[in-house]
Amino acid sequence: GQQVMQIPQYQHVQEGEDFTTYCNSSTTLSNIQWYKQRPGGHPVFLIQLVKSGEVKKQKRLTFQFGEAKKNSSLHITATQTTDVGTYFCAGSPNQAGTALIFGKGTTLSVSS
Amino acid sequence: EAQVTQNPRYLITVTGKKLTVTCSQNMNHEYMSWYRQDPGLGLRQIYYSMNVEVTDKGDVPEGYKVSRKEKRNFPLILESPSPNQTSLYFCASSGDWYTQYFGPGTRLTVL
Repeated sequence: GQQVMQIPQYQHVQEGEDFTTYCNSSTTLSNIQWYKQRPGGHPVFLIQLVKSGEVKKQKRLTFQFGEAKKNSSLHITATQTTDVGTYFCAGSPNQAGTALIFGKGTTLSVSS
Repeated sequence: EAQVTQNPRYLITVTGKKLTVTCSQNMNHEYMSWYRQDPGLGLRQIYYSMNVEVTDKGDVPEGYKVSRKEKRNFPLILESPSPNQTSLYFCASSGDWYTQYFGPGTRLTVL
């Protein structure tokens, strides 16, 4: 079946280092979203990418959607302890109403 | 305040005892979903609804029922819970299907 693979599963960094998580789909996606879940919390929407090759930035976070619309990445520059949590990508293969598939997430820990 | 609420937040029950987890949103969203989150498996969609009286199966619907009689409410029903349904459950709503706003979660333990 349709899958969205996310790597790495875990990442530990020193505060100030950069961090990247990658998301790959077995099928072309109509769009992709990224979510962050703090420990003990619920997933919170970060951003949506729709266009092939799209790049969006939110302060230290940079999101990319691949040209083939099958992969995406989230890059955090100069991590801070507040970045700790699990980052999920989620995609849908076509129009609204089809099942939304989440990656299993990358759990980021940051030591100061 | 725009929000998705779930009740109860925590529930311990026994095998076979029917239960309902309620979900309500105040954002007038058409789309609502239920997910379960398990260690190592991430978030998996159970059921979703595109509007009142319109529901469809997600990835893992077995053992669950839903109903959407009103736009704001989307209860999750476990007719005969089993221990493999022990999980963290999230309800979510969306105005455009893609951008999901999650509730605080319900931690369910089935003994």
